Amino acid sequence: QVQLAQSGAEVKTPGASVKVSCKVSGYTLTELSIHWVRQAPGKGLEWMGGSDLENVETIYAQKFQGRVSMTEDTSTDTAYMELRSLRSEDTALYYCTTRKYDILTSYYNTHFDPWGQGTLVIVSS
Amino acid sequence: QPALTQPASVSGSPGQSITISCTGTSSDVGAYNYVSWYQQHPGKAPKLMIYDVSNRPSGVSTRFSGSKSGNTASLTISGLQVEDEADYYCSSYTTSSSSVFGTGTKVTVL
Repeated sequence: QVQLAQSGAEVKTPGASVKVSCKVSGYTLTELSIHWVRQAPGKGLEWMGGSDLENVETIYAQKFQGRVSMTEDTSTDTAYMELRSLRSEDTALYYCTTRKYDILTSYYNTHFDPWGQGTLVIVSS
Repeated sequence: QPALTQPASVSGSPGQSITISCTGTSSDVGAYNYVSWYQQHPGKAPKLMIYDVSNRPSGVSTRFSGSKSGNTASLTISGLQVEDEADYYCSSYTTSSSSVFGTGTKVTVL
């Protein structure tokens, strides 16, 4: 059973960067495709990016391109999401979530399950 | 990629059935059978309820079902229960290898 444990809440000033971690247990990172989704207070879910269906290339939502980096450390089974040039609109709960590999299709699934507990990032001067 | 369109709210009495729509385009919902649905209770992480349009993960009640026609997917909750009161989001894989979520629907049990 996959479990995802995220790092704690962060408070940042505008213009700074934040790096959120997502520790995987129950599986190894190489067996999963990690994605990041955020949710601003009182708002809906917003996909930020993640690995493609072959888990080869990282795809970023156009809105975040150039400002976000998603990396992995397979030695510790930990994924990271770094968002730069923070502004107040980036205040949100950031979730990591996974797509699993489907041996029947030889691709990763397109649905997200499970999810981490979320990391609150507050951007305020 | 614009968000998929969902009704802001849907309500029903216990025991009734409700349906939530999710409208996209030929580049997302209409392109593949890769629509999924998530339930989110206040202060909790989303939970997968339906994947690949109409498949239920193990442990999800059979009262939840999904379908799709053209660019619109639907989630139906039959025999509505108090614990079904939550926010629901659809999601679709897209032709640009990205994913997109719906605007979200608040389900209220009267």
